[in-house]
Amino acid sequence: GESVGLHLPTLSVQEGDNSIINCAYSNSASDYFIWYKQESGKGPQFIIDIRSNMDKRQGQRVTVLLNKTVKHLSLQIAATQPGDSAVYFCAENTAGANSKLTFGKGITLSVRP
Amino acid sequence: DAEITQSPRHKITETGRQVTLACHQTWNHNNMFWYRQDLGHGLRLIHYSYGVQDTNKGEVSDGYSVSRSNTEDLPLTLESAASSQTSVYFCASSETSGGSDTQYFGPGTRLTVL
Repeated sequence: GESVGLHLPTLSVQEGDNSIINCAYSNSASDYFIWYKQESGKGPQFIIDIRSNMDKRQGQRVTVLLNKTVKHLSLQIAATQPGDSAVYFCAENTAGANSKLTFGKGITLSVRP
Repeated sequence: DAEITQSPRHKITETGRQVTLACHQTWNHNNMFWYRQDLGHGLRLIHYSYGVQDTNKGEVSDGYSVSRSNTEDLPLTLESAASSQTSVYFCASSETSGGSDTQYFGPGTRLTVL
C-alpha cells in the first residue's frame, strides 16, 4: 500500500540503540505538544505529550524534551526495537486555538536488525 | 472499550460522484476533526466540529462538507468527487479543551477518485 513515509526525512538506527527524533515548531505561543507514531496503513497513534510549563516528560521507553527558547521538541526512544519503525510527527496546540493542532510533516524511523 | 471507527476503509469512485465517509466515536468527545494526508503535505485539516450542530472549515475545505447531528458521528461528504481528492482521510476526536487536547485518530479511509 501507499507509504506515507515516502519523501520524508529518514532516520536509520540500529536495533538496541537509542533514537532521537527532532521537531522544530512554529509558534512561540504554543502551550501543548504531542508526539504521534504512524505505522504503515494505520492512523496516527498518541505516544506522549508535554505542556509548555515542563521541559521534560518520560514515558515507557520514551522521553520528550521541550526547549522553548529555540522552539524545539525532541522524542527520545530508548533501546529502539523493530516495532518502533514508523513515521513520527509532532503536533502543537496554540493557546486559544480551540483544540486545533498543527502537525509537522513527519520523520521516518527505520530500525536496522 | 471506547474507540473511533471509520468506514469504508477503502473506496474507489468516479469523478463527479457524491461520496460520504463515515466517522463514529464512542468516547463521547465533543470535538471531532477530519484530515487528509498526502505525500509531502502531512495532515491537513478539512473540517471540524466542537459539538452537535457546530461545524467549521479547515484549511482545505473546498469540495467537502460535514454535518454533526449527534455527538458520536461526523460524516464527511465530497459533493462532486475530483481526482485531486484522492487521498487518505483520517477522522479524529478530542475532549473539550480543559486539560488535554490530545486528538485520537481513526484507522483511515483510502479514497481513490478515477
